[in-house]
Amino acid sequence: DAGVIQSPRHEVTEMGQEVTLRCKPISGHDYLFWYRQTMMRGLELLIYFNNNVPIDDSGMPEDRFSAKMPNASFSTLKIQPSEPRDSAVYFCATGRGSFYGYTFGSGTRLTVV
Amino acid sequence: QKEVEQNSGPLSVPEGAIASLNCTYSDRGSQSFFWYRQYSGKSPELIMFIYSNGDKEDGRFTAQLNKASQYVSLLIRDSQPSDSATYLCAVKGTGNQFYFGTGTSLTVIP
Repeated sequence: DAGVIQSPRHEVTEMGQEVTLRCKPISGHDYLFWYRQTMMRGLELLIYFNNNVPIDDSGMPEDRFSAKMPNASFSTLKIQPSEPRDSAVYFCATGRGSFYGYTFGSGTRLTVV
Repeated sequence: QKEVEQNSGPLSVPEGAIASLNCTYSDRGSQSFFWYRQYSGKSPELIMFIYSNGDKEDGRFTAQLNKASQYVSLLIRDSQPSDSATYLCAVKGTGNQFYFGTGTSLTVIP
């Protein structure tokens, strides 16, 4: 298995631009989480899906952030418009069932200038 | 109050010693507890999970859970320089949310 695949690995964009981060979960995993990691705040849960349905998006910082999971093989996290304070590493993590730990992707390092 | 709290460290131990990492959590209904290791610039990697009170051993790693005290710890025996990393405690809350502590930085000195 190729693991959780995230793209792009690095993204540099200008303030105000739209950014789309992508995640392909491990086949058969029914839970998908989006996290953001910064030095100041650590790992923050943004949103998670179960069987492609968003369950809890209370961690999404504001309306500029949106996430979708149109099918079991793909999820996106979109930021529009982006701001410098959105600069962080964004991780996607997936797992099978609600009782086990999750596997992380390699992350997307986002820099908004 | 943060859901999961860890001492940020840094924690330094000599090679071959026991490293002890601690974590407390606020959701008394939490059922699952995890330790992740994160090397600088890499993604978190699951190394241990525990569900029941007591100890769980896996090689050089031992996870300890005390639900009454809302406390979970990770012991690393015979610490190696390759164990130098940030260790993240994670707790699955009653609503299936997966909360992480801010991590403890461990340095093993050769």
